[in-house]
Amino acid sequence: NAGVTQTPKFQVLKTGQSMTLQCAQDMNHNSMYWYRQDPGMGLRLIYYSASEGTTDKGEVPNGYNVSRLNKREFSLRLESAAPSQTSVYFCASSDASGAYYEQYFGPGTRLTVT
Amino acid sequence: TQLLEQSPQFLSIQEGENLTVYCNSSSVFSSLQWYRQEPGEGPVLLVTVVTGGEVKKLKRLTFQFGDARKDSSLHITAAQPGDTGLYLCAKDGFQKLVFGTGTRLLVSP
Repeated sequence: NAGVTQTPKFQVLKTGQSMTLQCAQDMNHNSMYWYRQDPGMGLRLIYYSASEGTTDKGEVPNGYNVSRLNKREFSLRLESAAPSQTSVYFCASSDASGAYYEQYFGPGTRLTVT
Repeated sequence: TQLLEQSPQFLSIQEGENLTVYCNSSSVFSSLQWYRQEPGEGPVLLVTVVTGGEVKKLKRLTFQFGDARKDSSLHITAAQPGDTGLYLCAKDGFQKLVFGTGTRLLVSP
């Protein structure tokens, strides 16, 4: 099992450009999440999908959109990138049938917006 | 809004020393998870504690859930350079987790 995979690993964008971060999991998990991690800020939830066909905003959703393409895949789109979106982005999944939403993370995408 | 406070924010120690990091909340939570994140990688779950007063051990790591279910601690005995990383606690939220700001640990040989 590959677990949670993310592409790309690194990306540099110019202000105003768009891009989509891809995430896939092979653990048959119902729930998937997108976080951003900035120095001193811990992990902040951008969007999550509790089950296929549903998405909900997290703590910092502005400037992002998501698509739960199927049970395996959850993508994050930046429509018009801004320097404030420079960050490390993590995708995670969890088995919603479990009691504690223990999460499995991907390796991250390091995004720089200039 | 960060609902979980972790302390200290940064800890630099020598190999062989003991240390404790803390995770505190103003509200009660039903369960708490601890994760470790190594440089350049995603966080990895270490343990979940669910009962007030619960103590779990993972080799040299001891996790405790406060009796009042508003705090937790992680104690590392005889730290090794391989323990270096960012330690994150996370409390349960409806269908999701809320993470603390983390404690960054550096263990030097």
